[in-house]
Amino acid sequence: GAVVSQHPSWVICKSGTSVKIECRSLDFQATTMFWYRQFPKQSLMLMATSNEGSKATYEQGVEKDKFLINHASLTLSTLTVTSAHPEDSSFYICSAGTSGTYEQFFGPGTRLTVL
Amino acid sequence: KNEVEQSPQNLTAQEGEFITINCSYSVGISALHWLQQHPGGGIVSLFMLSSGKKKHGRLIATINIQEKHSSLHITASHPRDSAVYICAVTPNTGNQFYFGTGTSLTVIP
Repeated sequence: GAVVSQHPSWVICKSGTSVKIECRSLDFQATTMFWYRQFPKQSLMLMATSNEGSKATYEQGVEKDKFLINHASLTLSTLTVTSAHPEDSSFYICSAGTSGTYEQFFGPGTRLTVL
Repeated sequence: KNEVEQSPQNLTAQEGEFITINCSYSVGISALHWLQQHPGGGIVSLFMLSSGKKKHGRLIATINIQEKHSSLHITASHPRDSAVYICAVTPNTGNQFYFGTGTSLTVIP
């Protein structure tokens, strides 16, 4: 089946620093990648949708200057949390899909802790 | 109002029991998905349905498009089935997922 990796799987950083999370589709070309965050015991919340080679579409309430998304190739998307604060601590999950299908394949997630 | 509602929120079962998790949705859909999230956080897609019924091992998923309802059944439940089960839909207006709040299942030996 389709495999999506995320790196790092966990990260601890100081407040004010920036953190980059990578999402890779390992065995297929992902025309669309989705970024989610999940707080404890809650469901996934869509942050943004990115299509290869174009700007990401952010959900209402998600600051695009704080959560920078780049989808430069069909196998890689990155999410950069800029000037991280403790309230950004969360579980970030990416998923990838291809055009013409309704499936999404999920990465294993990245747990971010901002001190 | 959430586009996708799941019940129950929490479920505890004895090993071997038959389990049913229900999902209702309020939008027109292209597909419905059942996902499994283990305590480590990773999410696995169990089923994608647009009509009828699918079976994979001890798992069965059904969907009634007219009633906008789907069920996930687990036969002969086992402690390794303990996880959060999430219902999601792809609306016919786009390719994003709308998620239910999940059902936390614990199967006791």
